Parts: sequence; C-alpha cells; structure tokens
Amino acid sequence: DGGITQSPKYLFRKEGQNVTLSCEQNLNHDAMYWYRQDPGQGLRLIYYSQIVNDFQKGDIAEGYSVSREKKESFPLTVTSAQKNPTAFYLCASRTGGMDTGELFFGEGSRLTVL
Amino acid sequence: GQQVMQIPQYQHVQEGEDFTTYCNSSTTLSNIQWYKQRPGGHPVFLIQLVKSGEVKKQKRLTFQFGEAKKNSSLHITATQTTDVGTYFCAGIGNQFYFGTGTSLTVIP
Repeated sequence: DGGITQSPKYLFRKEGQNVTLSCEQNLNHDAMYWYRQDPGQGLRLIYYSQIVNDFQKGDIAEGYSVSREKKESFPLTVTSAQKNPTAFYLCASRTGGMDTGELFFGEGSRLTVL
Repeated sequence: GQQVMQIPQYQHVQEGEDFTTYCNSSTTLSNIQWYKQRPGGHPVFLIQLVKSGEVKKQKRLTFQFGEAKKNSSLHITATQTTDVGTYFCAGIGNQFYFGTGTSLTVIP
C-alpha cells in the first residue's frame, strides 16, 4: 500500500530533550511538509522540502530542524529550544509543482512534554 | 504574509440541517483545496477548485470558488452524523496556506 508513515504515534519527552519524529513516504512524491496542529487551531507550517537535499523554513521553524537526505524520508527534530513543543505533528507529501497536487497526510505524531 | 481566515470556528447543527463554512484570503489564490479531519484523525483531501467562479458538487457537499479567487465556501446539505469533523480550506500560493478550520458537530 502506498502512503505516508509517521512514527511514533505517541511520544513523551522530558523538558530539555531533543526528539526526532520520523516521516517516510513510498508515493514517489517530490515535496514533503511538516505541520504543527494545536487544539482548536489550524495547521501551521514548520518546514517543507521540494527536492532532496533542500528544504525551506515555514512560518514556525524556530526550535525545529529537518533533513532531506532521501526522497522517501523527511525527519523532524524537535529541539530543546522549542518553547512549547506539546502538539500534534503532521507530515504530508505531494507530487507536482507548486500549483498542483493534493496533500497526502500521515496519521500524525502526538508529542507531550512532561 | 498571506493569511487565510475561516469562519465560523465552531458550528453545532441538528442532524438534517444545512452547514456552511467560509474561507477568505488576503491575496488572490491560484487555486484552493478543501480537507476534512475526523476527530483524532488526519486531514483528508476533498476537492480542488481552480477556476474563478467554479462550483463543484460531491453528493451533499457543494464547493464554490469566488470570482476574485480570494474566497471559497463549502456547503453541506442535510447534515448527517458522518459529517462530523473539522473542515479546512487551503489556499495555494507559493505554498499551502491552511485556514483555521471549522469544527462541525452534528447533534442526532
């Protein structure tokens, strides 16, 4: 089955620890995205990548880092510099250029900082 | 920066009533997409509108794209409990700009 796999689904972290969220897709999509969702709010863009070895900051990139070494993979690291990391994180991918293609989302990773 | 606002934020309806959510952009969009997120789930693509003034229907759902390509609406006729969830618009400029979403509750 083609799709996007995020792991872990749930994650607990102590303050001051970095944590990496995995996102893998086998849809052969060029573009991949990371969004953050807080309760009752919309999706805010953290980082996106349109091609391997290249990525761009979104609206709320501070305290996060990403890499895109392979087309299939776009991991997100939530660093200790992120002031309020507890949230639901969604990875997405799509094909095509900027004006085309729908976003396919993974099932999300829910991070709780204790 | 570009902003996409969506109203209302919450809507409670009796089953069988109609429901509409509105999406407004501060700038002209090349196209707009709509997504549905069930409680506890992830957003799922519903439809894309590209042309000015375009109207598309999916069963009880009607989607419209404004003439100026700066606003859009989603209308659900005769809501059912399966319509529960949050509906997001996403304006496409040089990246995706998601609206704040409208959370729909359907009371049986």
